Amino acid sequence: LAKTTQPISMDSYEGQEVNITCSHNNIATNDYITWYQQFPSQGPRFIIQGYKTKVTNEVASLFIPADRKSSTLSLPRVSLSDTAVYYCLVGPYNNNDMRFGAGTRLTVKP
Amino acid sequence: KAGVTQTPRYLIKTRGQQVTLSCSPISGHRSVSWYQQTPGQGLQFLFEYFSETQRNKGNFPGRFSGRQFSNSRSEMNVSTLELGDSALYLCASSPSGGRLREANEKLFFGSGTQLSVL
Repeated sequence: LAKTTQPISMDSYEGQEVNITCSHNNIATNDYITWYQQFPSQGPRFIIQGYKTKVTNEVASLFIPADRKSSTLSLPRVSLSDTAVYYCLVGPYNNNDMRFGAGTRLTVKP
Repeated sequence: KAGVTQTPRYLIKTRGQQVTLSCSPISGHRSVSWYQQTPGQGLQFLFEYFSETQRNKGNFPGRFSGRQFSNSRSEMNVSTLELGDSALYLCASSPSGGRLREANEKLFFGSGTQLSVL
């Protein structure tokens, strides 16, 4: 079953673009890739979801190469409020193997 | 629409006691799933309910149980509490229109219940 691997932590400065990559070598054909953001003492919040190629919304972009074995979450021009933990989730997550990764703790500095 | 509501927000219990946590999903959402989050283990799936039936279950002991009511509200119960049960317990709802979860379903999380076992 697919397992996700992300960097444990990343640092950035306000105004920079941040790219967080998630590896999921054993992704299944019907799996989607979803990213969530979590602030302390709150539940994760949906950011973006994709299946292949590139997806963009008002807060982020998601790049998925043709082999789908990895994905990159791109946050343009981060601010201090983007300091959070970012989770890459490969699903469908309707099974006992809940494939939330360990998450990437992003710290944005002034 | 109101978001996912979890009560209580904080809870302190002692070893051996039992606890019941409540979750009200977003209106119209029929699937409710529960997760345990700890600093050491991260986010772990407990179980999922759909139309009052447990649809999936994670690898947790039988002390952890749940149920879902006809209005989709859900409760989870932990009996004989242990120190290691201290965690943030998160509930998430999703639309889940059919018997099987759609591959691209999104989860909507509540703010969680912070349980401390002393």
